Amino acid sequence: QKEVEQDPGPLSVPEGAIVSLNCTYSNSAFQYFMWYRQYSRKGPELLMYTYSSGNKEDGRFTAQVDKSSKYISLFIRDSQPSDSATYLCAMSPPGFQKLVFGTGTRLLVSP
Amino acid sequence: KAGVTQTPRYLIKTRGQQVTLSCSPISGHRSVSWYQQTPGQGLQFLFEYFSETQRNKGNFPGRFSGRQFSNSRSEMNVSTLELGDSALYLCASSSVTRGYNEQFFGPGTRLTVL
Repeated sequence: QKEVEQDPGPLSVPEGAIVSLNCTYSNSAFQYFMWYRQYSRKGPELLMYTYSSGNKEDGRFTAQVDKSSKYISLFIRDSQPSDSATYLCAMSPPGFQKLVFGTGTRLLVSP
Repeated sequence: KAGVTQTPRYLIKTRGQQVTLSCSPISGHRSVSWYQQTPGQGLQFLFEYFSETQRNKGNFPGRFSGRQFSNSRSEMNVSTLELGDSALYLCASSSVTRGYNEQFFGPGTRLTVL
């Protein structure tokens, strides 16, 4: 079993929809949780990070962490075709530069 | 500020050969991490260097090695290439001054092993 599980998709939605992306994990030592976006032929780009449990909002993006359930989510409001990309969750325990990634969910937003 | 750069961007090698990939971190960043990305396994951590010392290592065979120079530039080497080594190799740098591991990724080197 992988430490981080993520549905690979693809997830297809119409423009303007609310998108929900999720990951589950098994390692209770994880304290930092991140979401990266990766466009084709590019490196991952950090979207959001959250420390421990709670919510964090940045524009159209909201990240949620529920450590009791070992479950994290990324919500995208008013999705745009430019949001079409692969979204990767990543996490790490404190004090380490080793990120453990989910396999990524491919999102397609159609105009 | 320039981002993380990786060279070369594309490589084609044959089985049994060796390859060296290069990474230049963001100016001032002293931590460099390497990841392998494949369709089946996703992004997997190879190793991390800080101040020319390997601090963390992932679960890869000894054929995968790396080093970091005094200017924080890093190289990784793969010897005796296998077909399964075909992947996108990503380098990420971090200032390690923040409380979280904000890692900035380069565009990657796509390695194809024939």
